[in-house]
Formats: sequence, C-alpha cells, structure tokens
Amino acid sequence: KNQVEQSPQSLIILEGKNCTLQCNYTVSPFSNLRWYKQDTGRGPVSLTIMTFSENTKSNGRYTATLDADTKQSSLHITASQLSDSASYICVVSSMEYGNKLVFGAGTILRVKS
Amino acid sequence: KAGVTQTPRYLIKTRGQQVTLSCSPISGHRSVSWYQQTPGQGLQFLFEYFSETQRNKGNFPGRFSGRQFSNSRSEMNVSTLELGDSALYLCASTRGLAGSTDTQYFGPGTRLTVL
Repeated sequence: KNQVEQSPQSLIILEGKNCTLQCNYTVSPFSNLRWYKQDTGRGPVSLTIMTFSENTKSNGRYTATLDADTKQSSLHITASQLSDSASYICVVSSMEYGNKLVFGAGTILRVKS
Repeated sequence: KAGVTQTPRYLIKTRGQQVTLSCSPISGHRSVSWYQQTPGQGLQFLFEYFSETQRNKGNFPGRFSGRQFSNSRSEMNVSTLELGDSALYLCASTRGLAGSTDTQYFGPGTRLTVL
C-alpha cells in the first residue's frame, strides 16, 4: 500500500535553532517528492520538489534531502524564525494512475522565542 | 500574476443541503485538484481535472463531484451534506499534471461548516 509517514508528529524549538523533519515512504513506482509549508488557515506552499536523481535541494533556509534507495527524505530548517511555525507536509508522487499524489499527515512545528 | 482564487471563502449549510464551490486557477494552468482538510485527517485528495477531464479520483462517496470548464475554472459540488463534511476545501492548480514536477499552487480554501 502506498504510504507516506512523517515524524515527529509535532515539534517545539527555540528561535534560532536548527531542526530536521523526517519523511519515510513506501510509494512505488516513485516519481517525485515535494515538501509543503502550511500556515494555519491557509493553503500549503511548495518548498521543494525532488526527482529520483536529486538528493539535495535548497530553498533559502530550507534544505531537503532524498535517499531513494532507503525511501527516506528529510527537511532541515536552519536558524529557525517565529514565522517558520507551521505544518510541514511531505508528498510523494507515484507514477501509477497518472502521477497520483500521496500525502503525509504533516509535522506541526512551533518556534518559540 | 494572480494566484489561485476560491469562492466563497466561508460557507454555512445545514444537513441535507447541497453546495457548490468554485476555483479559478492561475492563468495558463490546465490542472485543478481538490482536497478536503480536517483537523484529524490531514489533506485528503478528492479529484484532479486536466483539460476538462477527470484524471484521478480519491476515495470519497459519489456525493462529491466536480467539473472543469474550458477556461480551466473548476467547480466542486457536494450533495446531501452531512456533519462530517465540515472541513476546509482547498483547490490547487498546476501547469501540467499535479503529480508532475511542476509547482502546485494552492488557493486559500473554502471553510465549509455543516450544521
């Protein structure tokens, strides 16, 4: 069964600290993996999209990694800011059924001062 | 350029009624996907339309339906509303298929409350 699991479920860190969010997937055949940031009450915003051949991609203070062999991805946030408080969602695209998207449940990050 | 717009932003209905939500994608985008988001379930895929054709469908009952017009605007309809249909309904547009490497842009959502 195609699944995307994220950990931790929630996380609280101090402003200025780094953190890493994890995503494990069983989606096959794999097409691409993306990370979204969703602020409360708003639509998700795409952070990165990675294909099979990419193992690192950055977007400002956000760096995503992908290990297609172990089917794991991580999102690293550097020097966190209060505005990073949000839900981070890992989504994997499967080549089956017209590149159907499989969503993780998300990690809720809270950055406190 | 203008982003994805959804109307209405908020809606209150009673059980048994039906509702139609509208989504206008970014100009030039041919794919519109619809999602339901509830606190306990996260984002659940409803369906994707590409060039007026339904490409994919999630595991929702037939009460949920949609369509896409020739200008790529899309509507989603829910008939015989149930309390459990209360949720944030999000649409997203992509230039190509939603699962491609094209960036997917989400609208602000329609908050539906069923009483």
